Amino acid sequence: GAGVSQTPSNKVTEKGKYVELRCDPISGHTALYWYRQSLGQGPEFLIYFQGTGAADDSGLPNDRFFAVRPEGSVSTLKIQRTERGDSAVYLCASSSTGGNTEAFFGQGTRLTVV
Amino acid sequence: DAKTTQPNSMESNEEEPVHLPCNHSTISGTDYIHWYRQLPSQGPEYVIHGLTSNVNNRMASLAIAEDRKSSTLILHRATLRDAAVYYCILRDRGYSTLTFGKGTMLLVSP
Repeated sequence: GAGVSQTPSNKVTEKGKYVELRCDPISGHTALYWYRQSLGQGPEFLIYFQGTGAADDSGLPNDRFFAVRPEGSVSTLKIQRTERGDSAVYLCASSSTGGNTEAFFGQGTRLTVV
Repeated sequence: DAKTTQPNSMESNEEEPVHLPCNHSTISGTDYIHWYRQLPSQGPEYVIHGLTSNVNNRMASLAIAEDRKSSTLILHRATLRDAAVYYCILRDRGYSTLTFGKGTMLLVSP
């Protein structure tokens, strides 16, 4: 497809479990971003990749959250020991480069921790 | 990132122009003004961005005050599909991350 793809679209998990969320960016885009969005709030920045490396991970809330992008394309956001407060929509975006280029967002993964 | 201030919500009628304001009194010389919008159950989508001069594209126009402390996103003829949350974001020229606030929820009535 031409856009940013995120899988799964919905994920329900039990408190304490481990989850992985996947993002397929637009082909050729070197910059990739993860955000999360709670109801009624704007998206909150988590981490930014430029190529394979995390250029800015200052938004990750704690060490339970980790993201990788080993080949500079697909990225996986990993959450360990999930808590109910992790429930949110997790959004991925990509852009052709960093800087002021347009960012294209996926539809998000809705994570519910029960 | 410098902060922006937007009204929580605005209402418009279909086919009327809409002016969405944004205040950014602490903007720096290297901050670009970006607008994104988020339709219900969708990820945000890019609308327009500018630095100093007014900008036009197929979706909207961006009017930037001469002192750059405020800007206005203009939708020339609102449609029901324009009902969304509109985010005004300052993005430093050398920095990639978009920092979203709460935005303005635009309601469009037929």
